[in-house]
Amino acid sequence: EVQLQESGPGLVKPSQSLSLTCSVTGYSITSSYRWNWIRKFPGNKLEWMGYINSAGSTNYNPSLKSRISITRDTSKNQFFLQVNSVTTEDTATYYCARYNNPFDYWGQGVMVTVSS
Amino acid sequence: DIQMTQSPASLSASLEEIVTITCQASQNIGNWLAWYQQKPGKSPQLLIYGTTSLADGVPSRFSGSRSGTQYSLKISRLQVEDIGIYYCQQASSTPYTFGAGTKLELK
Repeated sequence: EVQLQESGPGLVKPSQSLSLTCSVTGYSITSSYRWNWIRKFPGNKLEWMGYINSAGSTNYNPSLKSRISITRDTSKNQFFLQVNSVTTEDTATYYCARYNNPFDYWGQGVMVTVSS
Repeated sequence: DIQMTQSPASLSASLEEIVTITCQASQNIGNWLAWYQQKPGKSPQLLIYGTTSLADGVPSRFSGSRSGTQYSLKISRLQVEDIGIYYCQQASSTPYTFGAGTKLELK
């Protein structure tokens, strides 16, 4: 069974970088599909942030393009999210998800608070 | 970006009642529309994809339909376990976008 698990710090200071890891089991991220980061803000809005596909190419939401980077470690079957220069507006629950048109597998989410 | 206008924002319904949630796409997305259910403390779970196809394990009381650029999710007989937040999502083009969500509560 495909499983995704997010990990990373729950508290980040403003202006710093947010870094999260998604560990995938049950499927190789190099086999197929797009591997995504999605966040849910307080108030329930969902925002797609971007993906890295099985070939290693990335696609980012233009609203975040200048601040976001998604990379991977194929040896560990993990992919990563980095968001630079965070503000309180980046406080959210962050999910990783597999895109098989649509998003068919999700991690349980990690809550990240941006605060000094 | 394609905007997904979802309504209502919240909905209170009785057990066994018929519930309908709608999403209006700002442009043609064909059948590239999915619905998700999110229960408290859980991640979103896929309900319907391709406008009308039920995901594995989803009860048949859930159904999806389309009229032009308006998409609907229908729950034919509301059950207690259906309580949560529902989202539509367009899969026609990136950036993928979601509706604002409908919070479904029991009356």
